Amino acid sequence: KNQVEQSPQSLIILEGKNCTLQCNYTVSPFSNLRWYKQDTGRGPVSLTIMTFSENTKSNGRYTATLDADTKQSSLHITASQLSDSASYICVVSDRGSTLGRLYFGRGTQLTVWP
Amino acid sequence: EADIYQTPRYLVIGTGKKITLECSQTMGHDKMYWYQQDPGMELHLIHYSYGVNSTEKGDLSSESTVSRIRTEHFPLTLESARPSHTSQYLCASSEKGRTDTQYFGPGTRLTVL
Repeated sequence: KNQVEQSPQSLIILEGKNCTLQCNYTVSPFSNLRWYKQDTGRGPVSLTIMTFSENTKSNGRYTATLDADTKQSSLHITASQLSDSASYICVVSDRGSTLGRLYFGRGTQLTVWP
Repeated sequence: EADIYQTPRYLVIGTGKKITLECSQTMGHDKMYWYQQDPGMELHLIHYSYGVNSTEKGDLSSESTVSRIRTEHFPLTLESARPSHTSQYLCASSEKGRTDTQYFGPGTRLTVL
């Protein structure tokens, strides 16, 4: 069964600190993996996208890694800011169907305190 | 920021009412989607469309219906709302051949009393 599991479910850190969010998936055949940021009451916004051949990608203070062999990804946030408080969702796309299915994790709820 | 819009943003209605959630995009995307999301849970696909006059049901069974008369417009309708329909509804779109790259609207938070 194609699944995306994220950990931790929630995380509280102090402003300025770093954190790492984890994503494990069983989606096959794999096409790509995205990390989305979803602010409360808003739609998800893409942060990074990684294909099979990429193992790291950065977008400002966000750095995503991908290990396609172990089917794991992480999102590292450096020097956190209050505006980083949001849900971070790992989304994996397959290439085995016409629709090109997206499989969503439940997200990690990050809270940054001043 | 994606040019995809949803109205209303918040809706509180009584049981039995008919409602329509609006979604429109100005990017000319062929594919559009409706997702349902409960707090702390993953997004579930309830409807999608490949283009005008095309609508399909998603993975999660839903009592809602959709229509696609114009490329830019993909409304979702509930004929008789119930408390079990209380949820967040997210609309998304993607260009032809790029299903994996979906742009999301801000969502509609629906509460049925």
